[in-house]
Amino acid sequence: GAGVSQSPSNKVTEKGKDVELRCDPISGHTALYWYRQRLGQGLEFLIYFQGNSAPDKSGLPSDRFSAERTGESVSTLTIQRTQQEDSAVYLCASSLRRNEKLFFGSGTQLSVL
Amino acid sequence: GENVEQHPSTLSVQEGDSAVIKCTYSDSASNYFPWYKQELGKGPQLIIDIRSNVGEKKDQRIAVTLNKTAKHFSLHITETQPEDSAVYFCAASSGSARQLTFGSGTQLTVLP
Repeated sequence: GAGVSQSPSNKVTEKGKDVELRCDPISGHTALYWYRQRLGQGLEFLIYFQGNSAPDKSGLPSDRFSAERTGESVSTLTIQRTQQEDSAVYLCASSLRRNEKLFFGSGTQLSVL
Repeated sequence: GENVEQHPSTLSVQEGDSAVIKCTYSDSASNYFPWYKQELGKGPQLIIDIRSNVGEKKDQRIAVTLNKTAKHFSLHITETQPEDSAVYFCAASSGSARQLTFGSGTQLTVLP
């Protein structure tokens, strides 16, 4: 079946604007993760969803960041009042269960001017 | 929390030679250690993983070794090919952790 799909693939925005990033996980995958990858760096955990459990938000860098997931399907990551330091690739991944093999999307390249 | 360190940050090898990337982790409770390959403009892809109940795992030209006592694990790629050129990430997680902690990545370049 289809892999993890993220949209948009690229987003250019002005400082101070809000942005919304979308992730469609693989059907049937109960776990969904968001990671941030700054240029030339590793993956920084942001948030984790598992079924109907309360999400693990421990990686969100500030209250400008939030995410939602509808059941075991689509997730959106929202960044309010974007700052230049928010510029990065935002990667979404899903897995059948927690800590099983993660399948990543191609990411959204966010550029804040 | 878990801390994963990865070395080297860049690695160049001649085609046909072997490449070794090493990672150390801090949480002795960690029990799952995957390796991901990321090509330019794409998301990371799992290439091999190992759990703490084994010391070595092989898949064709790729192998991973784990030393739980020393808390380090390594990726070995033999007979490297130009298509192996990519960024490689190690990661670790424990049964209680909800997410993987990733290393900072190794840019591998295989020179023809």
